[in-house]
Amino acid sequence: QLVLTQSPSASASLGASVKLTCTLSSGHSSYAIAWHQQQPEKGPRYVMKLNSDGSHTKGDGIPDRFSGYSSGAERYLTISSLQSEDEADYYCQTWGTGIVFGGGTKLTVL
Amino acid sequence: EVQLVESGGGLVQPGGSLRLSCAASGFTLGTYWMHWVRQAPGKGLVWVSRINIDGSGKTYADSVRGRFTISRDNAKNTLYLQMNSLRVEDTAVYYCARGNNSGWYYFDYWGQGTLVTVSS
Repeated sequence: QLVLTQSPSASASLGASVKLTCTLSSGHSSYAIAWHQQQPEKGPRYVMKLNSDGSHTKGDGIPDRFSGYSSGAERYLTISSLQSEDEADYYCQTWGTGIVFGGGTKLTVL
Repeated sequence: EVQLVESGGGLVQPGGSLRLSCAASGFTLGTYWMHWVRQAPGKGLVWVSRINIDGSGKTYADSVRGRFTISRDNAKNTLYLQMNSLRVEDTAVYYCARGNNSGWYYFDYWGQGTLVTVSS
């Protein structure tokens, strides 16, 4: 069964960097995912599509501070030079015979 | 600029009906598969339904199959979700989203959402 696992929360200081993780279930390590950002009281925003080889395609207007890479079944979203507006919920999404979302990670910028 | 704007949400009693709309602009709706995704209060994102380019192919989550109907009017650049026999557990913000490619794929644009509250 295709499942995405995310840590419920993460935190980092203003100006620092943070790495968010999305883990694909066993047998699905070749799958691509997408990262979406949801700021408080807003709709989600597409951040990037991240392939198993680490190549990624960012959405319109996504700053260079956002990057992604892959290792095995892990898919990472890294945000550098954290700003207050980066405080949001981050969801990973994948697809196979349906659409699957991870449970989301709430990022707090201290 | 691509925009998706949902409307039609509101308060409805259990067993009632609502029709959501999603107005698309900045792109040609008729060249993209479209989806509905919902988010219950304080919870995560859950896929609800999808429709292919010409409306001939529709898929639903088990939780809404038989009660919800997705449709589209490409001439009006509008996506719809007809929701019947609503249940308390259908309470959520409903988002329309554009599929980046045909079939099952990722979403590259989202709307701002419309809140549906099912309560007596």
